[in-house]
Amino acid sequence: AQSVTQPDIHITVSEGASLELRCNYSYGATPYLFWYVQSPGQGLQLLLKYFSGDTLVQGIKGFEAEFKRSQSSFNLRKPSVHWSDAAEYFCAVVTLQGGKLIFGQGTELSVKP
Amino acid sequence: GAGVSQSPSNKVTEKGKDVELRCDPISGHTALYWYRQRLGQGLEFLIYFQGNSAPDKSGLPSDRFSAERTGESVSTLTIQRTQQEDSAVYLCASSERTQSPLHFGNGTRLTVT
Repeated sequence: AQSVTQPDIHITVSEGASLELRCNYSYGATPYLFWYVQSPGQGLQLLLKYFSGDTLVQGIKGFEAEFKRSQSSFNLRKPSVHWSDAAEYFCAVVTLQGGKLIFGQGTELSVKP
Repeated sequence: GAGVSQSPSNKVTEKGKDVELRCDPISGHTALYWYRQRLGQGLEFLIYFQGNSAPDKSGLPSDRFSAERTGESVSTLTIQRTQQEDSAVYLCASSERTQSPLHFGNGTRLTVT
């Protein structure tokens, strides 16, 4: 069955430090991959998506993610974290053949001054 | 243009009562999803509609849960004989088609007392 795993429930980084949030998926087919962010008291917002082509994708707010088929991973990165990045981050997957969009359990990011 | 609209925004109900949650997707979006988010947890897939195809109901937790969608328009999620464990935020999302990024509503916060 399809699944998405975000191994880190909670991560704390210092402001200005780099960030990497992990996402692994389990699928038999080529997936479409997404990262969403949910800020406190706000709705979910799309950060970036991967459909095909260049495996390194750029998103909003300075985020990027790299698709690695061999590792079934789609990790989210940011070179320098800002205090406003504190939020819950969700990785999500849907197959090319269509069907439901499945979310990981989320990673809560805290940013310390 | 208008985004995804959900009503009510908050609902408090007594255990055993039925509730109906409404979602108005973005006009022209063929795909519509319902998710449940319990406090501090991730997004749990409930049901997915795509055009005139049969909905994917694989995420509905019990037969107390049902959902309908009128064409490519409004959707309602019904929970019968509510239980305290049904307390959560119910999120609706729509997209132009399967595999397109989702646009989320602000959710309905359901509290079962």
